[in-house]
Amino acid sequence: DTAVSQTPKYLVTQMGNDKSIKCEQNLGHDTMYWYKQDSKKFLKIMFSYNNKELIINETVPNRFSPKSPDKAHLNLHINSLELGDSAVYFCASSRTGVASYNEQFFGPGTRLTVL
Amino acid sequence: GQQLNQSPQSMFIQEGEDVSMNCTSSSIFNTWLWYKQDPGEGPVLLIALYKAGELTSNGRLTAQFGITRKDSFLNISASIPSDVGIYFCAGHNNDMRFGAGTRLTVKP
Repeated sequence: DTAVSQTPKYLVTQMGNDKSIKCEQNLGHDTMYWYKQDSKKFLKIMFSYNNKELIINETVPNRFSPKSPDKAHLNLHINSLELGDSAVYFCASSRTGVASYNEQFFGPGTRLTVL
Repeated sequence: GQQLNQSPQSMFIQEGEDVSMNCTSSSIFNTWLWYKQDPGEGPVLLIALYKAGELTSNGRLTAQFGITRKDSFLNISASIPSDVGIYFCAGHNNDMRFGAGTRLTVKP
């Protein structure tokens, strides 16, 4: 039933490690996004993918890389984790080509803590 | 950049009161959206607005797309305890920009 799901819900890791967060949507949407929410709850877009092409790439470190094996999945890989990467990461999806294409649906979030 | 200024930052109200929050920008947006985030959850879309001047309701919630396309407001009538949460405005052109959020506390 879950429209946009993310795993894991919580991720605690050491500085310098490499980790991945997975996202899946079953809404039939063709665009997926990753957002970062900091401790002050500010939401900032990191990436979006449409038909397997990266169409937005904000000024995030190249240690972050999105990977989309198919339209329903957009995973986030993070290399050499740093303390400042600690945040909640949200996946979202939307459908393009219709009037409501700006409506994005969010997953439950992954709380990443880097020690 | 396309900054959104959302106010107020926080509100403490009594159950049954009406609530009003707004978002302004120096840039024009094609779409304005309002989301609510509960603790430990992702933002949930409440209302999406697509035309300048549009006024849309969703139950006790009413939102308007400003005539200048640079602002939007959200009203909640007769608040209840489950209205507690953080409300975000968002404006969309080529990508989505979010306001800093309004943290709502409702006292029973």
